[in-house]
Amino acid sequence: EAGVAQSPRYKIIEKRQSVAFWCNPISGHATLYWYQQILGQGPKLLIQFQNNGVVDDSQLPKDRFSAERLKGVDSTLKIQPAKLEDSAVYLCASSLETGTISRDQYFGPGTRLLVL
Amino acid sequence: RKEVEQDPGPFNVPEGATVAFNCTYSNSASQSFFWYRQDCRKEPKLLMSVYSSGNEDGRFTAQLNRASQYISLLIRDSKLSDSATYLCVVSAIQGAQKLVFGQGTRLTINP
Repeated sequence: EAGVAQSPRYKIIEKRQSVAFWCNPISGHATLYWYQQILGQGPKLLIQFQNNGVVDDSQLPKDRFSAERLKGVDSTLKIQPAKLEDSAVYLCASSLETGTISRDQYFGPGTRLLVL
Repeated sequence: RKEVEQDPGPFNVPEGATVAFNCTYSNSASQSFFWYRQDCRKEPKLLMSVYSSGNEDGRFTAQLNRASQYISLLIRDSKLSDSATYLCVVSAIQGAQKLVFGQGTRLTINP
């Protein structure tokens, strides 16, 4: 079974530039998550989709971050404009949800972003 | 107060030793509990779920104390390959599963 795919794996940009990350979840997984993991910390949820609807985006800095999952499959996360403190690994995860029964989340390899 | 708190370590122990990690959580409505493992520069992977009755998977034992809002992980007969960061994870069902991660405890097993 193919895992969660993410691209690019690495990105270096200058502050105030824009950047976009792409994620393709495991086939059939209805729920997709974007996490930010700063060095030395655990992953922090940015946004959670159930199919193509947003379930939780309470920790997404909406002045600069946006995400979409238009067809309920793959997703993009964008930062515009980037700040130095956005340097982190951006992890995408997916899970197979059935009603309110939780299922394990599977993580992609992440995109390592460095903002200079 | 953080939702999930862990001792960040690092823990340096000799091969074959027993090591224990602790974790506390603040949301009493939390319903599911997990330990994830994260190798250096890799993504987190589920190590084991944690049940109220306690559960064991080979050399790994997880315990949950709901009254104290406390989770533990015990690793017996540690191997070099156990070197990693161990993330305590708590979830509440809010429409769909929402995971909250601790900052992780870094473990190094020395030969």
